[in-house]
Amino acid sequence: QVQLKESGPGLVQPSQTLSLTCTVSGFSLTSNSVHWVRQPPGKGLEWVGAIWSGGSTDYNSALKSRLSISRDTSKSQVFLKMNSLQTEDTAIYFCTRSTGGPPGVMDAWGQGASVTVSS
Amino acid sequence: DIQMTQSPSSMSVSLGDTVTITCRASQDVGIYVNWFQQKPGKSPRRMIYRATNLADGVPSRFSGSRSGSDYSLTISSLESEDVADYHCLQYDEYPPTFGGGTKLELK
Repeated sequence: QVQLKESGPGLVQPSQTLSLTCTVSGFSLTSNSVHWVRQPPGKGLEWVGAIWSGGSTDYNSALKSRLSISRDTSKSQVFLKMNSLQTEDTAIYFCTRSTGGPPGVMDAWGQGASVTVSS
Repeated sequence: DIQMTQSPSSMSVSLGDTVTITCRASQDVGIYVNWFQQKPGKSPRRMIYRATNLADGVPSRFSGSRSGSDYSLTISSLESEDVADYHCLQYDEYPPTFGGGTKLELK
């Protein structure tokens, strides 16, 4: 059974660094990609970035200077780090799986991690 | 970046209605459009992939279609469990981009 679960601090102070972990099960990170998507309160979905099966990464250009995505395949974990947090980064952060072939793009999602940027 | 213009942003609906939500892509994205359903406090659920394909476990009253750069999600004979937010996604070109979302509300 494919599962993803986000974890991390609920509250981060402005200018500090956000660290989130996505722990996956039921599939391998070396043959699937994992994307991060965020949703500010009451707003739509925004793609944050991705780590591909080969380990390369892609980032939203608006966040690229502050963002890093990495993984530990032995622990089936993907990490998101974003520095210089601002109140506009307050959102629910989801991790989601994509496969090159079936079942395809963003077929499974974690439950989300709520992040509030506030002093 | 490719823009996905989703309409309407909200819709007042009745049970049994046929509902259609549309996303217009700012450039050709081929078949690479997904539709997601999201209920309050929950993560998105993929309903349609590659524009017209029903995802596993999704009721057959949901369907996806394409006409040129317009992509539509249609719900036939709306049921109470279908009242939710819906989002389109294009992934033909990176970065993937979502539409602004459509909120269905019961009259």
